[in-house]
Amino acid sequence: AQSVAQPEDQVNVAEGNPLTVKCTYSVSGNPYLFWYVQYPNRGLQFLLKYITGDNLVKGSYGFEAEFNKSQTSFHLKKPSALVSDSALYFCAVRDGPGGYNKLIFGAGTRLAVHP
Amino acid sequence: GAVVSQHPSRVICKSGTSVKIECRSLDFQATTMFWYRQFPKQSLMLMATSNEGSKATYEQGVEKDKFLINHASLTLSTLTVTSAHPEDSSFYICSARGTVNYGYTFGSGTRLTVV
Repeated sequence: AQSVAQPEDQVNVAEGNPLTVKCTYSVSGNPYLFWYVQYPNRGLQFLLKYITGDNLVKGSYGFEAEFNKSQTSFHLKKPSALVSDSALYFCAVRDGPGGYNKLIFGAGTRLAVHP
Repeated sequence: GAVVSQHPSRVICKSGTSVKIECRSLDFQATTMFWYRQFPKQSLMLMATSNEGSKATYEQGVEKDKFLINHASLTLSTLTVTSAHPEDSSFYICSARGTVNYGYTFGSGTRLTVV
């Protein structure tokens, strides 16, 4: 079965410093991986996805993620964190190759960016 | 971009009553709709998947007679929580998937409080 793991419950970083939110995956076949961000009492906003192609994926709001097949990781990164980046971040993998398959989410990582 | 409108954003109801939550895809045809439930500080738990015109597929442990899902058109899906109880209080989020771009678009969520 497909799964993702986010090993950190919370990540703390100072504003202006680079940030990394970790995600590892376990899939059979080619992985379709996603990152979403959630602000309090809101739905999920799409940040980026990896389907195929370049291992470095650039997304919204200056975020990027690196797909690493050998380490089965898909870590989310940003060169310079903003206080407004503080939110809950979810890594997800699509379950199966078909067009209607569900997303399976990690437990989420809370990012706190301090001024 | 793709937009999913979810209403209401907040609802308070009395125990024993039913509540309907709507999700509309505003600028694309949602062939598949996913309904999630999220407890405080936790990840999203998939409740059910519905394809337009078909019966919903419920995840294990989700009562289909309690959480009624209707996906009668390509732009509207509803979740009805029947005979609500305080333990049904939660944050419910829908996600729509069309046939283009393999994207999943999320609604803004509904905070249900049963008193």
